[in-house]
Amino acid sequence: DAKTTQPPSMDCAEGRAANLPCNHSTISGNEYVYWYRQIHSQGPQYIIHGLKNNETNEMASLIITEDRKSSTLILPHATLRDTAVYYCIVSASSGGYQKVTFGIGTKLQVIP
Amino acid sequence: NAGVTQTPKFQVLKTGQSMTLQCAQDMNHNSMYWYRQDPGMGLRLIYYSASEGTTDKGEVPNGYNVSRLNKREFSLRLESAAPSQTSVYFCASSEGPAGGPRNEQFFGPGTRLTVL
Repeated sequence: DAKTTQPPSMDCAEGRAANLPCNHSTISGNEYVYWYRQIHSQGPQYIIHGLKNNETNEMASLIITEDRKSSTLILPHATLRDTAVYYCIVSASSGGYQKVTFGIGTKLQVIP
Repeated sequence: NAGVTQTPKFQVLKTGQSMTLQCAQDMNHNSMYWYRQDPGMGLRLIYYSASEGTTDKGEVPNGYNVSRLNKREFSLRLESAAPSQTSVYFCASSEGPAGGPRNEQFFGPGTRLTVL
């Protein structure tokens, strides 16, 4: 499975865009990039995923580089409620289930 | 829709006691999962069930057993609890199947377990 590398922490001013990077240089052609976040001690929450093309939904945008070796999650207007740990995950198909490895993620602190 | 529900929310056990953590989803998902999360660490997969009637070991299965009771319910049992099993346990479900574009997982609120 492809591994991911994320910075351990980031700060962002409230109202500004938060850009969270992720490196997945060993990703293979059929693996998706997924992003989740975990607010305080709640269960992780799905945000967005993509394969090759950039994706946008009501929560965020996902920018994947052309070589697919890295991606960036963009929260366009960060609020205090976006303070959370963000996980970048590469989804592999393994024996009948979605094998997902959650690393330590990036702790995003949104500052007033 | 309630999504994924877990019971209990909190539990304290003594070493050697047994208990079952319950999980149910109302999204008609095929796949279900049990994770544990220790302080300052990511989630680690304990067991998963790709579909009703099947279960398989994940990354850290020792000391646990599971039952996929039906499509909705997936329980995790600790036969003889140990202090090393103190953790937060999350259940999740996904539409499945493996790989592909519709495999986002939906998580429950977690069960906080302390083993003394």
